[in-house]
Amino acid sequence: GQNIDQPTEMTATEGAIVQINCTYQTSGFNGLFWYQQHAGEAPTFLSYNVLDGLEEKGRFSSFLSRSKGYSYLLLKELQMKDSASYLCAVMDSNYQLIWGAGTKLIIKP
Amino acid sequence: GAVVSQHPSWVICKSGTSVKIECRSLDFQATTMFWYRQFPKQSLMLMATSNEGSKATYEQGVEKDKFLINHASLTLSTLTVTSAHPEDSSFYICSASTPDRNTEAFFGQGTRLTVV
Repeated sequence: GQNIDQPTEMTATEGAIVQINCTYQTSGFNGLFWYQQHAGEAPTFLSYNVLDGLEEKGRFSSFLSRSKGYSYLLLKELQMKDSASYLCAVMDSNYQLIWGAGTKLIIKP
Repeated sequence: GAVVSQHPSWVICKSGTSVKIECRSLDFQATTMFWYRQFPKQSLMLMATSNEGSKATYEQGVEKDKFLINHASLTLSTLTVTSAHPEDSSFYICSASTPDRNTEAFFGQGTRLTVV
C-alpha cells in the first residue's frame, strides 16, 4: 500500500531552526509537496520537489532523496506565526496526491 | 497564483436537510477538482475526484448517493451533502488542478459544516 510518514508533533523555539522529516512509499512518483495548514484553514502551498536536492525559498527549504523515499522541510529563523501543521504529500503515478497525517509544529517564545 | 473560491465558509444545518458547497476556479479552467474531508487533528481524506462533464470517481467507503458531486463546467464543481446527520459535521475542502498536472493543488478556503 501507499504510505506517508511524518512525526505527529514537534516543538521548537522562536528564532531557531527546525527540520520536519517525511518518508514515503508510493506507487510511482511525480513529485513531493509540502503544505502549511493553520487550524481551521485550508492548506497553503510551500514547496514542490521532483528532482533530488535542496530547494530554497526564503526561510523555508525542502530536500528530496528519491532513492531513499525521503524528504524534509527546513524552517529557519522561526516565528510564532509558523506554528501550524505541515503536510507532506506525494503525487503518485496516477497524479493523485497521497497525504501524510501532518506534523503539528509548536513554536515557543 | 491560481485562485479557488469555496462557498460558504461555514454552515449550520438541521439534521435531515441538504447542504450545497460550491467550488469555483476564478482565473483558470479546472479540468479536475478534488473534494476532501478533514476531521480535527487528521489529514485530508480524499472523498472524490470530479472531471468536467463526467461522473465523479468516489473513493472507497464514500457514499455517492449521500455526497453528490457535480462538475458541470470548467470553473465550477459542487458538493451536496444530502440528508445530513451530525456525523457529517466536518471540514470540507475542494482543490483544483490545471491541465498541467505536475503543479501544486490550489485549495479553496474550506467549508466548516455543522449538523445539529
